[in-house]
Amino acid sequence: QKEVEQDPGPLSVPEGAIVSLNCTYSNSAFQYFMWYRQYSRKGPELLMYTYSSGNKEDGRFTAQVDKSSKYISLFIRDSQPSDSATYLCAMSGGTGTASKLTFGTGTRLQVTL
Amino acid sequence: SAVISQKPSRDICQRGTSLTIQCQVDSQVTMMFWYRQQPGQSLTLIATANQGSEATYESGFVIDKFPISRPNLTFSTLTVSNMSPEDSSIYLCSVVFAGQGADTQYFGPGTRLTVL
Repeated sequence: QKEVEQDPGPLSVPEGAIVSLNCTYSNSAFQYFMWYRQYSRKGPELLMYTYSSGNKEDGRFTAQVDKSSKYISLFIRDSQPSDSATYLCAMSGGTGTASKLTFGTGTRLQVTL
Repeated sequence: SAVISQKPSRDICQRGTSLTIQCQVDSQVTMMFWYRQQPGQSLTLIATANQGSEATYESGFVIDKFPISRPNLTFSTLTVSNMSPEDSSIYLCSVVFAGQGADTQYFGPGTRLTVL
């Protein structure tokens, strides 16, 4: 079993829709949770960074962490065609192994006009 | 904002040869890493590039196959040695900028390698 599971998609939604992207994980030591956006033929771009459980909002993006369920989500409101990309979740543990990120395989999102 | 560059952006190589990939950052960084991204798979950490000392490799990756240098704070190289088609992948460097948490990693644009 992979440490981080992420549905690869593709996920196709109409412009303006609310998008929900999710990851589950098995390692209870993970404390830091990130979402990256990767456009085709580009490097991953850090979108959201959260620590422990709770919500964090940044513009149209909301990251949610539920450590009790080992489940994280990224919500995109009012989705735009420019949001079409692959979204990668990543997570890491505490002191000592804090720098090693464990990634999901990514979910490909297509926002259509 | 800081710029992370990688050279080359892409290459096609023959099996048995080696390729050196460069990563250059225009700001102070505390940590540099090398990852591999294979089709349909998650990004996998190859090693942590340590300034002035040997890199720290993850399980499954060895120095003879992936020698890494980091002569100063803002520059690192990854060599893919004695390549085979299984090495075809995207190779990415990532950095942690000074003053930020170790988990906040920013990625370069990647090097797309095809081995024939």
